[in-house]
Amino acid sequence: DTGVSQNPRHKITKRGQNVTFRCDPISEHNRLYWYRQTLGQGPEFLTYFQNEAQLEKSRLLSDRFSAERPKGSFSTLEIQRTEQGDSAMYLCASSLGMGGTEAFFGQGTRLTVV
Amino acid sequence: AQSVTQLGSHVSVSEGALVLLRCNYSSSVPPYLFWYVQYPNQGLQLLLKYTSAATLVKGINGFEAEFKKSETSFHLTKPSAHMSDAAEYFCAVSEHNFNKFYFGSGTKLNVKP
Repeated sequence: DTGVSQNPRHKITKRGQNVTFRCDPISEHNRLYWYRQTLGQGPEFLTYFQNEAQLEKSRLLSDRFSAERPKGSFSTLEIQRTEQGDSAMYLCASSLGMGGTEAFFGQGTRLTVV
Repeated sequence: AQSVTQLGSHVSVSEGALVLLRCNYSSSVPPYLFWYVQYPNQGLQLLLKYTSAATLVKGINGFEAEFKKSETSFHLTKPSAHMSDAAEYFCAVSEHNFNKFYFGSGTKLNVKP
């Protein structure tokens, strides 16, 4: 299966620690998105990349959050100095961009900050 | 700005009954519309999409949705519910550049035996 892969699936961390998540998109997809989903809510847009360029960031993405996509392949999302409010499911998705329409989602990384 | 409203955070139907999940959107331009399904602790799976072709769209697992511009709606239906349909359903909208997708808050579907 060559779908979107996210690691780890679950992460428990202490408040104040840094965490990093990885997303491997579908290989031919040039767009990559990060979303955050809290309980009882729909996914909220965080940021997206067109190849290696980060083209848009949501105001939800505070200075403690940083995302990269070196070489336009996999992407990482880092959260520094985690807070309890960061506890959520972090979803990665990829798409063909203008050559396609829908986004294909990974299974997500569930972060719990204790 | 685009937005999506899903009426009814929880819907309960009996097995074999009609499923109707409501979605209304707000968009300044003709949108692309999507329905996704999410099972517990899983990512989102695409059920169907509207991309300005036929207004009645058929998707996987017997689901379909109709785009009604005059009502700014894209309701999801299935004639006969199965137990396996129990999940959370999200409606989403995107502009034609697909820079981002805006999701509704979701509707949890419960199917009673």
